[in-house]
Amino acid sequence: EIVMTQSPATLSVSPGERATLSCRASQSVSSNLAWFQQKPGQAPRLLIYGASTRATGIPARFSGSGSGTEFTLTISSLQSEDFAVYYCQQYNNWPPLTFGGGTKVEIK
Amino acid sequence: EVQLVESGGGLVQPGGSLRLSCAASGFTFSGYSFNWVRQAPGRGLEWVSYISSTSSTIYYADSVKGRFTISRDSADNSLYLQMNSLRDEDTAVYYCARSLDMKVWGQGTLVTVSS
Repeated sequence: EIVMTQSPATLSVSPGERATLSCRASQSVSSNLAWFQQKPGQAPRLLIYGASTRATGIPARFSGSGSGTEFTLTISSLQSEDFAVYYCQQYNNWPPLTFGGGTKVEIK
Repeated sequence: EVQLVESGGGLVQPGGSLRLSCAASGFTFSGYSFNWVRQAPGRGLEWVSYISSTSSTIYYADSVKGRFTISRDSADNSLYLQMNSLRDEDTAVYYCARSLDMKVWGQGTLVTVSS
């Protein structure tokens, strides 16, 4: 099973600042990596797939990078609606599909 | 509008059973695979099960293998999860999600296993 590790667990950022979230895989997942955003009481929403491709309707301030075992989600200028929990997920070697533990982006 | 709507959650005693449903609309149900993903209270996301578009391929997480059964019915555009021998640790919000890329999610249904 591929273990996905996200860091940090919590990220405190001021509105308008840049946020950088990390995700590491226990073995290579190539570019088969997705990022999801989840707000309280809501279902997750797909942001990024293929490590760097934005899903339909996702603003350009969200960008993904990386391949192999190291991945990054960058939010270039945080808006109020971006404060949420973010999960990475690999779909290269499955089953099982595996998610990281999440990074909570909170207001500083 | 593309939509997934889960139902069937509720309170059940340990050892009991429950059947979740996920009704699909706004797209061609038979053309897509589906997943069940769950989230325990205050915890992260855990993949539970996958079914291919033709039901020819089915996978389960080790934590539910032998207890849960995924199925689908194109006649009523619905996905199902039959959950037997439920345990306290199965308490979670259960989501259905379309395809391997999980671009579309339902709103979730809460399953509480407690005596």
